[in-house]
Amino acid sequence: DTEVTQTPKHLVMGMTNKKSLKCEQHMGHRAMYWYKQKAKKPPELMFVYSYEKLSINESVPSRFSPECPNSSLLNLHLHALQPEDSALYLCASSQGIGVNTQYFGPGTRLLVL
Amino acid sequence: QKEVEQDPGPLSVPEGAIVSLNCTYSNSAFQYFMWYRQYSRKGPELLMYTYSSGNKEDGRFTAQVDKSSKYISLFIRDSQPSDSATYLCAMSLYGNNRLAFGKGNQVVVIP
Repeated sequence: DTEVTQTPKHLVMGMTNKKSLKCEQHMGHRAMYWYKQKAKKPPELMFVYSYEKLSINESVPSRFSPECPNSSLLNLHLHALQPEDSALYLCASSQGIGVNTQYFGPGTRLLVL
Repeated sequence: QKEVEQDPGPLSVPEGAIVSLNCTYSNSAFQYFMWYRQYSRKGPELLMYTYSSGNKEDGRFTAQVDKSSKYISLFIRDSQPSDSATYLCAMSLYGNNRLAFGKGNQVVVIP
């Protein structure tokens, strides 16, 4: 099973709202990722958790706050977002050591009004 | 110079034709090479993965890596309308969590 699941599929939020995106994998992977993707662009890396510790933060604004409760779950907490944050947010996972073949979820399409 | 170059297209082909996609890269240390297929408004799906130089075949798909030329290719034989998607190349170093992506190449297969 190479499935990464994400909820919700769609999210509309105002600039003062607080919301969370959720990601889950049951492949035994120990690295999990958040990416942001704008239309007709490749995914941009935001955060990497390796063995449940934050290992990469690509200078993402503090209005995005990641959390890794356990090795299967990854959350992205959103607060006071801007309209330019509207995008497809993708979660991915990989084994965590050696070969970095990443498996992506279907994404959450976020619209900030 | 960008780390990975990929012509964004779009590329339109008739059904049944061979689709040829390629990426060039500048970092000779890359060892792992991936092709992802992304349908509109969906997440990328891992299509092919190869290590170092050589060929890999999976059904109608063939991936080639030429490390001496820093050039990778994906061939789709007997293309179908369902192959219409954006194809992203990606590559990485051993033990490194970062993927370097190409811009993506939009392919349209016309029935």
